[in-house]
Amino acid sequence: AQSVTQPDIHITVSEGASLELRCNYSYGATPYLFWYVQSPGQGLQLLLKYFSGDTLVQGIKGFEAEFKRSQSSFNLRKPSVHWSDAAEYFCAVGPRGGNKLVFGAGTILRVKS
Amino acid sequence: DTAVSQTPKYLVTQMGNDKSIKCEQNLGHDTMYWYKQDSKKFLKIMFSYNNKELIINETVPNRFSPKSPDKAHLNLHINSLELGDSAVYFCASSQTGRGVLNTGELFFGEGSRLTVL
Repeated sequence: AQSVTQPDIHITVSEGASLELRCNYSYGATPYLFWYVQSPGQGLQLLLKYFSGDTLVQGIKGFEAEFKRSQSSFNLRKPSVHWSDAAEYFCAVGPRGGNKLVFGAGTILRVKS
Repeated sequence: DTAVSQTPKYLVTQMGNDKSIKCEQNLGHDTMYWYKQDSKKFLKIMFSYNNKELIINETVPNRFSPKSPDKAHLNLHINSLELGDSAVYFCASSQTGRGVLNTGELFFGEGSRLTVL
């Protein structure tokens, strides 16, 4: 069965510091991988996605993620965090050509000034 | 122009009532979904419709009945509301199947927060 694990429920970083949010997945075939961000009271916005090709993908707002097949990981990174990045981040996995995404439990990012 | 819009945004009601949430997408996608986000922010798929046909029906009480009058609309009706139904319900859409239009990405509405008292 497919599943997504985000080991960190909360992470606090200082503004300007680097960030890495962890995501591990379990999937029986080659997956589509996604990171979404949810600001308070808002829907989910796509940050970036990986389908194939270069394992380092760039997204919006300066985020990037690296797909590591051997580790079944798709960690999200940002070199310098801004206060506006405070939100909840969800990793998701889904089938190629399919239509059902499975989400991790989310990681809440707090940014301190 | 909002891509995926759902109404109402907030809904407060008593136990035992029946309520509906409506969703519309203007992206031309062929598949729509309902996800439930509980108080711990865990997102779980409830239903999925592809071109008006129900294709995913997770373990959801039959008090929940989705309806898709056309591929741009997916409504959720809930009968006999219970306290545990309190959650945020997200509508989403995507383009599925083979072809370049399938990006696998879900586009989400802003959510409908249901509070059952």
